Amino acid sequence: QTVVTQEPSLTVSPGGTVTLTCASTTGAVTSGYYANWFQQKPGQAPRSLIYSTTNKHSWTPARFSGSLLGGKAALTLSGVQPEDEAEYYCLLYHGGDQLWVFGGGTNLAVL
Amino acid sequence: QVQLQESGPGLVQPSETLSLTCTVSGGSISSYHWSWIRQSPGKGLEWIGYIYSRGSTDYNPSLRSRATISEDRAKNQFSLNLNSVTAADTAVYYCVRGGYSGYIGWYFDYWGQGTLVTVSS
Repeated sequence: QTVVTQEPSLTVSPGGTVTLTCASTTGAVTSGYYANWFQQKPGQAPRSLIYSTTNKHSWTPARFSGSLLGGKAALTLSGVQPEDEAEYYCLLYHGGDQLWVFGGGTNLAVL
Repeated sequence: QVQLQESGPGLVQPSETLSLTCTVSGGSISSYHWSWIRQSPGKGLEWIGYIYSRGSTDYNPSLRSRATISEDRAKNQFSLNLNSVTAADTAVYYCVRGGYSGYIGWYFDYWGQGTLVTVSS
């Protein structure tokens, strides 16, 4: 059973920078895991932010960026805004039988 | 602008079949991968499966034995049937567009607003 792990919660100050990570029990996350990142605010559907590790959708604010960091997928928010307070989920492609597995989510507080 | 809208019963009896439909507007379902993703109350997201390329399907192995995803191209819709449901299947169900190309890799972009399905007698 593949498990994808994210930090359960993080706190950042307005204007600060924070990095969320996404790890897999199958080993180091590479570009072949095609990491996707989503933002979800209470009572709303998730919104897609990043695809294939580093690519932004047309609606993704410039302060969001995706990368690989130390064997994990990472989502970095630079110049955090109060409206960035939300739950963030990563999704990794594992191929084979498991295909797509979500991380458990990171609750980001902006305080 | 691509829009997805889920529809179906909000209440399903235990052991029966959950049936949902996603209607897509602003684009054809003839291309892309069309997923169902669910979220149990207060919990995280779970990928159920997708349909693509003239009816091919892939499923989460934990749901493969109970889930069926189908499409109706004439209506620009795709559907989820999940049989033998229990209270553990109570969740908000989302339909989502995604796709793959050798140039940009895998992506998921447009989501429906979600529909809550409660399994209860």
